[in-house]
Amino acid sequence: DTGVSQDPRHKITKRGQNVTFRCDPISEHNRLYWYRQTLGQGPEFLTYFQNEAQLEKSRLLSDRFSAERPKGSFSTLEIQRTEQGDSAMYLCASSLAGASKNIQYFGAGTRLSVL
Amino acid sequence: DAKTTQPPSMDCAEGRAANLPCNHSTISGNEYVYWYRQIHSQGPQYIIHGLKNNETNEMASLIITEDRKSSTLILPHATLRDTAVYYCIVRVPNSGGSNYKLTFGKGTLLTVNP
Repeated sequence: DTGVSQDPRHKITKRGQNVTFRCDPISEHNRLYWYRQTLGQGPEFLTYFQNEAQLEKSRLLSDRFSAERPKGSFSTLEIQRTEQGDSAMYLCASSLAGASKNIQYFGAGTRLSVL
Repeated sequence: DAKTTQPPSMDCAEGRAANLPCNHSTISGNEYVYWYRQIHSQGPQYIIHGLKNNETNEMASLIITEDRKSSTLILPHATLRDTAVYYCIVRVPNSGGSNYKLTFGKGTLLTVNP
């Protein structure tokens, strides 16, 4: 197992376009998290899944954002009608509930640039 | 999660020990201290965590004061590859409410110089 995988690594889009990112967690992990990170700041929590259920969404996650984890494995994060303010690094993490203090392991992230 | 305070930046000479401080004066009895680091253009990487006893693993040592209001992450022999932003986070693991998420501050940028 190679850890959390995110695709694509980089995405450049024009304002108003829709984009979708994918995250493949560590295979046995039942929890999956999305974070967003802007330049000079630490990552900020967006949303969280336990298996296929989305249990929490941050106020940062506007109506243009939607996340899914249909089979409790990989997850997608879609941004509709992108805005320049959406430019950021989008990070995915996974963890195993109940194991070793619920350590979250992160992917390398998807860097989004909205022109 | 309790708020943490870290210096914005630190320098260290290659081969020397890097000691990164973190203040968490409002930590509660069941909150653990976690350390992550983020190398440029990569995702955060878990380093170590602890409750009240000092901890050591292959990456680092964690020293927590007796009153638990502060801690120090020690990289015993820093290398150039240890240049990164280091985040100190306190949280209660595996409990309900909002404790599933990590709340990151701005961290400490450690620069290891040759």
